[in-house]
Amino acid sequence: GAVVSQHPSWVICKSGTSVKIECRSLDFQATTMFWYRQFPKQSLMLMATSNEGSKATYEQGVEKDKFLINHASLTLSTLTVTSAHPEDSSFYICSARLSPRERDTGELFFGEGSRLTVL
Amino acid sequence: GENVEQHPSTLSVQEGDSAVIKCTYSDSASNYFPWYKQELGKRPQLIIDIRSNVGEKKDQRIAVTLNKTAKHFSLHITETQPEDSAVYFCAASIGRTGNQFYFGTGTSLTVIP
Repeated sequence: GAVVSQHPSWVICKSGTSVKIECRSLDFQATTMFWYRQFPKQSLMLMATSNEGSKATYEQGVEKDKFLINHASLTLSTLTVTSAHPEDSSFYICSARLSPRERDTGELFFGEGSRLTVL
Repeated sequence: GENVEQHPSTLSVQEGDSAVIKCTYSDSASNYFPWYKQELGKRPQLIIDIRSNVGEKKDQRIAVTLNKTAKHFSLHITETQPEDSAVYFCAASIGRTGNQFYFGTGTSLTVIP
């Protein structure tokens, strides 16, 4: 099956710094990638939809300038948490769909997730 | 946008019993409904999905039913085993043209040996 790799899996940073999380589709091209945030024992909250070669579509309430998303290629999307604060501490998960050329069934393939702790 | 509600939030069953988790959705255009299982600290894994042109789908001990008129779909797990213990999420999406997947709030299932 399709494999999505996310890096880093765990990061600790100081308040005010920026952190970049990468999401890669290893064996397929992903036209669309999604970024989710998950608090402990809670659901996956969609933050934004990342489309290759265009600007990301952010969900209501998600700050575009704080959560920068770049989808520069068909296999890589990045999420940068800028000027991180303790309240940004969370589990961030990316997911991807196959491109239409690769028989997109609609299924989402998830990365391993990145646990961010802001001190 | 789509609003997906999921019930119950927690569910405990005895090993061997059945478990049922229900979800409702709001957008009648949604036509793809996957169920994901997430173990603690791990990525969600697709366990079964159903499309709007089908009313029921079964895969061994797992089945999903869909009622388009009522806009609800359910996950059924029979003969539960301790390894079924996890958090289950339902989701709704507008198939190949949709760019958003909206997840339910999750159900923490515990199977008691």
